[in-house]
Amino acid sequence: AQTVTQSQPEMSVQEAETVTLSCTYDTSESDYYLFWYKQPPSRQMILVIRQEAYKQQNATENRFSVNFQKAAKSFSLKISDSQLGDAAMYFCAYRSGVKEYGNKLVFGAGTILRVKS
Amino acid sequence: GAGVSQSPSNKVTEKGKDVELRCDPISGHTALYWYRQSLGQGLEFLIYFQGNSAPDKSGLPSDRFSAERTGGSVSTLTIQRTQQEDSAVYLCASSPVGGWTKNIQYFGAGTRLSVL
Repeated sequence: AQTVTQSQPEMSVQEAETVTLSCTYDTSESDYYLFWYKQPPSRQMILVIRQEAYKQQNATENRFSVNFQKAAKSFSLKISDSQLGDAAMYFCAYRSGVKEYGNKLVFGAGTILRVKS
Repeated sequence: GAGVSQSPSNKVTEKGKDVELRCDPISGHTALYWYRQSLGQGLEFLIYFQGNSAPDKSGLPSDRFSAERTGGSVSTLTIQRTQQEDSAVYLCASSPVGGWTKNIQYFGAGTRLSVL
């Protein structure tokens, strides 16, 4: 079974600074997808960024970028120019590319990000 | 609607009672998922519906949990004889079948269930 590990229960960053959230995963598959979701106090999970395993280029979305190291099974999220609105719980998630596994997401335990003004 | 809608937002019930949680997915999304978020277990997959295929129930924790999806749209998650360990946030997500967003799951705001 696939597992996702987020080793940082909590992180803090100063407004306008850069922070990196760590995520590692374990799988024997070669075809899969990785995601970072943000969950603010409103509870609604919001997709931040996604990465297809077959793509070597790291995904970027505005201030958010990932460092995808397939061989090391590592998928970290970098948030540049942090803003107060970035404060939330961040979840790393894995989805198999094997159709029979039904597309469910496997989540890490989450990292609480606090942004200081 | 514009997003995934879940109701009720919060539900308080007594141990032993049955509860029904509702999810209204994004229009046109054929895939629908239920997850449970609890302090002790984190985020866990419960059940997955895809079109007219048989649902993947592999994540349901016990036979007290069941779900149905009527007409390929609205889904109801039912918990019978609730226990205190069922207290959690129940999240619903949907995703389209095709297009570049087909691998993305869009979540509702969840239902917080408290079993007293």
